[in-house]
Amino acid sequence: AQTVTQSQPEMSVQEAETVTLSCTYDTSESDYYLFWYKQPPSRQMILVIRQEAYKQQNATENRFSVNFQKAAKSFSLKISDSQLGDAAMYFCAYRTLNSNSGYALNFGKGTSLLVTP
Amino acid sequence: DAGITQSPRHKVTETGTPVTLRCHQTENHRYMYWYRQDPGHGLRLIHYSYGVKDTDKGEVSDGYSVSRSKTEDFLLTLESATSSQTSVYFCAISTRRKDSNYGYTFGSGTRLTVV
Repeated sequence: AQTVTQSQPEMSVQEAETVTLSCTYDTSESDYYLFWYKQPPSRQMILVIRQEAYKQQNATENRFSVNFQKAAKSFSLKISDSQLGDAAMYFCAYRTLNSNSGYALNFGKGTSLLVTP
Repeated sequence: DAGITQSPRHKVTETGTPVTLRCHQTENHRYMYWYRQDPGHGLRLIHYSYGVKDTDKGEVSDGYSVSRSKTEDFLLTLESATSSQTSVYFCAISTRRKDSNYGYTFGSGTRLTVV
C-alpha cells in the first residue's frame, strides 16, 4: 500500500504571506493521481488541487499551486497571499490507477494551518 | 455536484450496542467508500464498494461490516460498538465528469460517540 506522509502537524502563516505545506509519498507505481484537500471546521472536504503524475507541469488553482517532484516523491502545496479563510486542516492524498483498492484515496495525517491577522 | 447524504449527523450510543450509519447518493456512481477520521490519523479507509453486493475491506475494517443492496445506499454497521470506534465517519463516492478524469464527493460526516 502507498504511504502518504505529512511531516508538519501544524503550520502558521500571517495574512497575505505565502506558506508551503509538505507531502511525501511512497509508491512503486509510475502513474497515479495526487490531491490536496481542505477541511475547515465545518468538516466539509473541499478539493483544493489535483495533479496527474504523468503531467510534468505543476497544477495551479488561483492562489494555490503545487511543486510536484516525481523522482523525489514529493508533492508540496503553496498558498500565496494567505487569507483568514484558508485556515483549515489540509490533507494530501494519493490515488492509484489500479482497481485493487477500489480507487480509494489514501490520505496523509493532515496539517493544521493557522492564519494570523 | 453529485448528491450524497449521510445519516445521522450525530449519534451517541452505548458500548456493546449495534449501530448503522447510512450513506445515500442520488446518482448511479459505482464506487463508494467509508472512512473514519481521528486526530493525528487523517482519514483511514474502512470498507469500500464497487457495485451492488460487491464490497471489500480497507485499512481499518476490524469491527465493521458493510452492505450495499442498492446502488444508491451504502451502509456501515458496527455490530457491537466499542469506545475505540468513537470517531467521525465519512462516506465518499468516486465520480467521473466530462471535464476531469477523477473526482470524489464526500458526505458531511457523522460524529459517533460510544460511551
